[in-house]
Amino acid sequence: QKEVEQNSGPLSVPEGAIASLNCTYSDRGSQSFFWYRQYSGKSPELITFIYSNGDKEDGRFTAQLNKASQYVSLLIRDSQPSDSATYLCAVSGSGGNYQLIWGAGTKLIIKP
Amino acid sequence: EPEVTQTPSHQVTQMGQEVILRCVPISNHLYFYWYRQILGQKVEFLVSFYNNEISEKSEIFDDQFSVERPDGSNFTLKIRSTKLEDSAMYFCASSGQGGYNEQFFGPGTRLTVL
Repeated sequence: QKEVEQNSGPLSVPEGAIASLNCTYSDRGSQSFFWYRQYSGKSPELITFIYSNGDKEDGRFTAQLNKASQYVSLLIRDSQPSDSATYLCAVSGSGGNYQLIWGAGTKLIIKP
Repeated sequence: EPEVTQTPSHQVTQMGQEVILRCVPISNHLYFYWYRQILGQKVEFLVSFYNNEISEKSEIFDDQFSVERPDGSNFTLKIRSTKLEDSAMYFCASSGQGGYNEQFFGPGTRLTVL
């Protein structure tokens, strides 16, 4: 059973600080890694994605991938109250299996 | 900016009834997906669709479910005989290149089975 694990939180971060969210996955062959943001009652909104080991910066968001450790993270710089949401890690499969496997999400609270 | 749209936003039905959920993917996208999210739970993959056929489906997507692209713009999910446990948010997503590329989600349809 392919799994994606996230700490459910809540993670509380002061406004203006860096929020760090983590995710581990079980399928070593996974190719693509996505971070979505989901506000309560809304659909997932794509924040960023990463395919290769290392860092990928996307505005205030940086995705980090370490395939050897099967670990992907999201850093949010200069956190704003509007960043308060649940952050979902999604991982695509391997071997032509493209469905996204989802973590349960980490609830992030940015305190003004 | 192009977006995925879904109708209706909320569907209430009686157990055993058929429902059709509708989606209009982003116009130049070729890969389409349905996911569901039961309240308070993870997002779950149901099915993916490419070139007018199902390319992958999960264990959830049993004989009660079907998908169709009836014309050049719509993509539908049909549940033939709804059960109480089908109550969930249903999300449609589309991808331009498919495969391992990013998927964009519609706003969802909240299905309530009574």
